[in-house]
Amino acid sequence: NAGVTQTPKFRILKIGQSMTLQCTQDMNHNYMYWYRQDPGMGLKLIYYSVGAGITDKGEVPNGYNVSRSTTEDFPLRLELAAPSQTSVYFCASSRGPDGEQFFGPGTRLTVL
Amino acid sequence: TQLLEQSPQFLSIQEGENLTVYCNSSSVFSSLQWYRQEPGEGPVLLVTVVTGGEVKKLKRLTFQFGDARKDSSLHITAAQTGDTGLYLCAGGRDSSYKLIFGSGTRLLVRP
Repeated sequence: NAGVTQTPKFRILKIGQSMTLQCTQDMNHNYMYWYRQDPGMGLKLIYYSVGAGITDKGEVPNGYNVSRSTTEDFPLRLELAAPSQTSVYFCASSRGPDGEQFFGPGTRLTVL
Repeated sequence: TQLLEQSPQFLSIQEGENLTVYCNSSSVFSSLQWYRQEPGEGPVLLVTVVTGGEVKKLKRLTFQFGDARKDSSLHITAAQTGDTGLYLCAGGRDSSYKLIFGSGTRLLVRP
């Protein structure tokens, strides 16, 4: 099992550009999450999903969108990138709502 | 609003020393998880505690869940350089689909 995979590992965007961060898990988990982690800080929840077709906002959803068309994939879309979105983005999945979360390796995004 | 406060925010100690980090809240949680994150990687689960007063040991690491299930502590005995990392606590609630993560304690163990 690969677990949770994320692409790309690194990306530099110009202000106003858009991009999609990819996340795939092969553990058949229903619950998936997107977090951002600013330097020296903890994790802030952006969006989460409790199953295919069902998504909901987390703590910091502004400037982001998600979709969940399959159990495996949970892409995060950034529209009109801003410097405030410079961060490391982690995708995670879990079997249950308060079960162990398995994290991907992260995507380091810089917006200039 | 930060529901889970971790202290200290940063800790630098010599190899062989003992340390305790804390995770506190005014809210009750049904479970409390501790994760460790190494530089350039995602967090990895260390332990889950679910019962008030519960103590779990993982080699040199001892985790305790407060009696009222509002706080938790992580004690490391004889710290090693391999313990260096960011320690995150995360609380779960029966009524929620997500975990609440604390702000983290960054530990540096010097050789």
